[in-house]
Amino acid sequence: KQEVTQIPAALSVPEGENLVLNCSFTDSAIYNLQWFRQDPGKGLTSLLLIQSSQREQTSGRLNASLDKSSGRSTLYIAASQPGDSATYLCASDSLGFQKLVFGTGTRLLVSP
Amino acid sequence: EAQVTQNPRYLITVTGKKLTVTCSQNMNHEYMSWYRQDPGLGLRQIYYSMNVEVTDKGDVPEGYKVSRKEKRNFPLILESPSPNQTSLYFCASSGQGGGYTFGSGTRLTVV
Repeated sequence: KQEVTQIPAALSVPEGENLVLNCSFTDSAIYNLQWFRQDPGKGLTSLLLIQSSQREQTSGRLNASLDKSSGRSTLYIAASQPGDSATYLCASDSLGFQKLVFGTGTRLLVSP
Repeated sequence: EAQVTQNPRYLITVTGKKLTVTCSQNMNHEYMSWYRQDPGLGLRQIYYSMNVEVTDKGDVPEGYKVSRKEKRNFPLILESPSPNQTSLYFCASSGQGGGYTFGSGTRLTVV
């Protein structure tokens, strides 16, 4: 059974800092690893999708990496802004399992 | 614009009154699914569908029904809602190559 854990559970940083969010998973036979952002009470916005053959993806100030052998993915946010404040969720999509398994989330607060 | 559309966004209903939450996607995706999100429990899958007329239970299917008569639509039906079904519901779709697109969510309150 796939289990996905995110550390830290909450993070508070001043504006401008670079930061790293961590995601670990127990079953390395994943198909894809996807990062989402969720604002309070809102929907899930896809940030980055890393397919199993890839090691990283970049979009603007965001960079996500995937290391299947160690069961880890990281989301790097450069030059954080108050607008980045949200909960960040990673989710694994495993072969043979017709669902996403979500991590516990990291609640990020970026202060001006 | 590629999207998953859920309706309604907010719904307050009474125990036992049948309701349907609609979900539609415009990306020609084969796969669609429903999740509910609850504090402390995260996102849990209710039902999923691999294609038209093919549906299966997820982790928490009790009290819910689904149908997939058309590729683009995947409604969630609560035949007799109960207060423990108060939750935030999300519909999602996925196509070839993976990657999920989620709807904006439906906040359901059952009193």
